[in-house]
Amino acid sequence: SQQGEEDPQALSIQEGENATMNCSYKTSINNLQWYRQNSGRGLVHLILIRSNEREKHSGRLRVTLDTSKKSSSLLITASRAADTASYFCATSPPSGGYQKVTFGTGTKLQVIP
Amino acid sequence: DGGITQSPKYLFRKEGQNVTLSCEQNLNHDAMYWYRQDPGQGLRLIYYSQIVNDFQKGDIAEGYSVSREKKESFPLTVTSAQKNPTAFYLCASSIPWTGEVNTIYFGEGSWLTVV
Repeated sequence: SQQGEEDPQALSIQEGENATMNCSYKTSINNLQWYRQNSGRGLVHLILIRSNEREKHSGRLRVTLDTSKKSSSLLITASRAADTASYFCATSPPSGGYQKVTFGTGTKLQVIP
Repeated sequence: DGGITQSPKYLFRKEGQNVTLSCEQNLNHDAMYWYRQDPGQGLRLIYYSQIVNDFQKGDIAEGYSVSREKKESFPLTVTSAQKNPTAFYLCASSIPWTGEVNTIYFGEGSWLTVV
């Protein structure tokens, strides 16, 4: 079963608006990562947040992590049409083990020019 | 440039046929993976390999086989035993788990369709 569940499943916004997507997970984690996937392409790593961190920034990306609620959010500010893609969260368990990285079901973001 | 190369990009399989998807990486990563992605779905792990000549089943290994004879290569065979193989297949790699960051690098994927 999927460890991460993204919400919403799909999101459509106007260019320039902010986009927020959420990820909930079920068990304790070592870290949580966000990946981006353009249609028909591979996934690209965006940002990682460790379990002892609450917020991280990278360019127009802001990630938060609330381990008490087992949830994370990804905020993309000042969205662009090129941000149109699916976004996945991926969690790693506390015990490590790269084979145990589990991906969520994804949020499909459409940014309308 | 370093990366992961998957081929072919599009592949059609007839009923009863085995097909092999190629995956080559020049990132010098020890670990390699195969994932399956169905339309609108997340990724499911088929097989993974930590080192040469070693591989382990993932969550959905039935109907698939792999080999890891070289560090750079991790081909996936979709056998006739896989009853619903139509999907998008992603190969990936990473450095071995060291307790720190484990970023996974992906190829561009291969579309397999049963005809």
